[in-house]
Amino acid sequence: AQSVTQLGSHVSVSEGALVLLRCNYSSSVPPYLFWYVQYPNQGLQLLLKYTSAATLVKGINGFEAEFKKSETSFHLTKPSAHMSDAAEYFCAVSVPGNQFYFGTGTSLTVIP
Amino acid sequence: NAGVTQTPKFRVLKTGQSMTLLCAQDMNHEYMYWYRQDPGMGLRLIHYSVGEGTTAKGEVPDGYNVSRLKKQNFLLGLESAAPSQTSVYFCASSSLGQGYGSPLHFGNGTRLTVT
Repeated sequence: AQSVTQLGSHVSVSEGALVLLRCNYSSSVPPYLFWYVQYPNQGLQLLLKYTSAATLVKGINGFEAEFKKSETSFHLTKPSAHMSDAAEYFCAVSVPGNQFYFGTGTSLTVIP
Repeated sequence: NAGVTQTPKFRVLKTGQSMTLLCAQDMNHEYMYWYRQDPGMGLRLIHYSVGEGTTAKGEVPDGYNVSRLKKQNFLLGLESAAPSQTSVYFCASSSLGQGYGSPLHFGNGTRLTVT
């Protein structure tokens, strides 16, 4: 069975501080993993994706994520938070048949 | 470069009324999906389609029907709306090109309120 767990439904960081959003997955097949960002009243936008090429994946807006098979994790990080990073972030896993499973999301607040 | 377009953006229905949400994509994607988003529950798959003329049930299909008569369009219908269907609905599409590594492309959502 496939599932995604995002630890922490709300995360607050100070502007300029490290952003760390946690994602753990469960998959019975080699997973493809994604992080999406959702700004208020908008759809989800792709931040980055892991598709088995490199374990450290760089995405847009300075975000990156590291795939750790032994820990079944795909945590999202950014060295220095910006006010514009305030949004909802979703981790997702896809499996054959292009089926996607989403976590419940983490709302990121950036404190000036 | 429109991507995925959803109409309408907002709708208010009374219990028992029906409506159809339209999704159109201009990327020639094979797969199309309808999700609903509710606070604290992430995105839940309602129905999806793997190609023109095909549809399949997702995680929460009850109370909804779909049709994909043309490759670029995916319609979501509510025959008799209920307050439990108050939600934000998202359409998404993906291609076959990268196998199941192809990302989803989302529309901007339809906010539906059922009173």
